[in-house]
Amino acid sequence: ETGVTQTPRHLVMGMTNKKSLKCEQHLGHNAMYWYKQSAKKPLELMFVYSLEERVENNSVPSRFSPECPNSSHLFLHLHTLQPEDSALYLCASSQDWTGGPETQYFGPGTRLLVL
Amino acid sequence: GQNIDQPTEMTATEGAIVQINCTYQTSGFNGLFWYQQHAGEAPTFLSYNVLDGLEEKGRFSSFLSRSKGYSYLLLKELQMKDSASYLCAVSDSNYQLIWGAGTKLIIKP
Repeated sequence: ETGVTQTPRHLVMGMTNKKSLKCEQHLGHNAMYWYKQSAKKPLELMFVYSLEERVENNSVPSRFSPECPNSSHLFLHLHTLQPEDSALYLCASSQDWTGGPETQYFGPGTRLLVL
Repeated sequence: GQNIDQPTEMTATEGAIVQINCTYQTSGFNGLFWYQQHAGEAPTFLSYNVLDGLEEKGRFSSFLSRSKGYSYLLLKELQMKDSASYLCAVSDSNYQLIWGAGTKLIIKP
């Protein structure tokens, strides 16, 4: 148990569906991240939030929409996804995003399958 | 471009020693991380190196050579539970983590 939880753990959705992934961290951290992990590929950073402000958006398609209502919760809203979006979506948190190497603590991920 | 290279898969025997290598080319360097990820689970932090040399932590050690852009993770007295993927990541000049694709380690009895 790393102190970062994600729900749901598994999700199957059609290309016309709308769904949301939820992440919650219980570590008192100020920064939260969304990553995409595809088989045999490096982790792809999607979004970074620091103190509820988005600080990084790495050219992610608009069909992925993040939301950070407070420093403990992070959502990823999904709509009109493509089959190539099928992957493991990992949430992580770190103490800060203030210009220093930070150890990130990961949740178990949501395994997403888009049909 | 920025690049992290590590072997895709390695096999080792229970009780033995294995070394997982990682080479990197990044814009700047602010440290190198190793994470362990069991199948279907979260990556968990193993080690962080920012200075050259060997850092030992129980059965696991991590080595860094900044001049060579090279690190390795050394696992001793291998146990079946060490079967996992091992991810190498470098913090670049903007403190962004650049990740390798991971090395899947298979431990055989």
